[in-house]
Amino acid sequence: EVQLVESGGGLVQPGGSLRLSCAASGFTFSSYEMNWVRQAPGKGLEWVSYISSSGSTIYYADSVKGRFTISRDNAKNSLYLQMNSLRAEDTAVYYCARIGRSGSYDYWGQGTLVTVSS
Amino acid sequence: DIQMTQSPSSLSASVGDRVTITCQASQDISNYLNWYQQKPGKAPKLLIYDASNLETGVPSRFSGSGSGTDFTFTISSLQPEDIATYYCQQYDNLPPVTFGGGTKVEIK
Repeated sequence: EVQLVESGGGLVQPGGSLRLSCAASGFTFSSYEMNWVRQAPGKGLEWVSYISSSGSTIYYADSVKGRFTISRDNAKNSLYLQMNSLRAEDTAVYYCARIGRSGSYDYWGQGTLVTVSS
Repeated sequence: DIQMTQSPSSLSASVGDRVTITCQASQDISNYLNWYQQKPGKAPKLLIYDASNLETGVPSRFSGSGSGTDFTFTISSLQPEDIATYYCQQYDNLPPVTFGGGTKVEIK
């Protein structure tokens, strides 16, 4: 059974940092592209970042470019999102999602809440 | 960036009704369009990929159609368990991936 489990969310002050993790199981993690998607309270879905299966290709949304860093450790079946210089508008539930056929996000984690507030 | 305009933003329908949601892309995205269902407090779930292909295990009352810039998502007979917010998502021109604003479906 495919499982994605996020961790690392919490309350952080503006300007602070947080590192999210996504532990993958039930599939060959190293064969799949992965993403982070976030959802602010009461709002829609916003794509945050993409990483290829090998980690050689990375993309970011303009809203997080220069502040967030996506990475993966295929030996540990894990995906990460290092978030620096956090702002109030980064407050959201962060989901990791696997890219399946035709660019679809076929599996999602349960999400981890990041709250940026003083 | 490609903008995805989804409508309506919310709708109320009776059990058994046919429900239709539209998604319009700001430029031609061929059939690179997916649909997701999100229930309150839960992660999104993939329903339709490549505009019209039903994901494995998804009930056949869900369907999708369209290509180019105009797409339609249909629930042929609304069930109580279909109460959720539905999102379209394009993946033709990356980055960025873009989602529609969502359609909240409620029971009348």
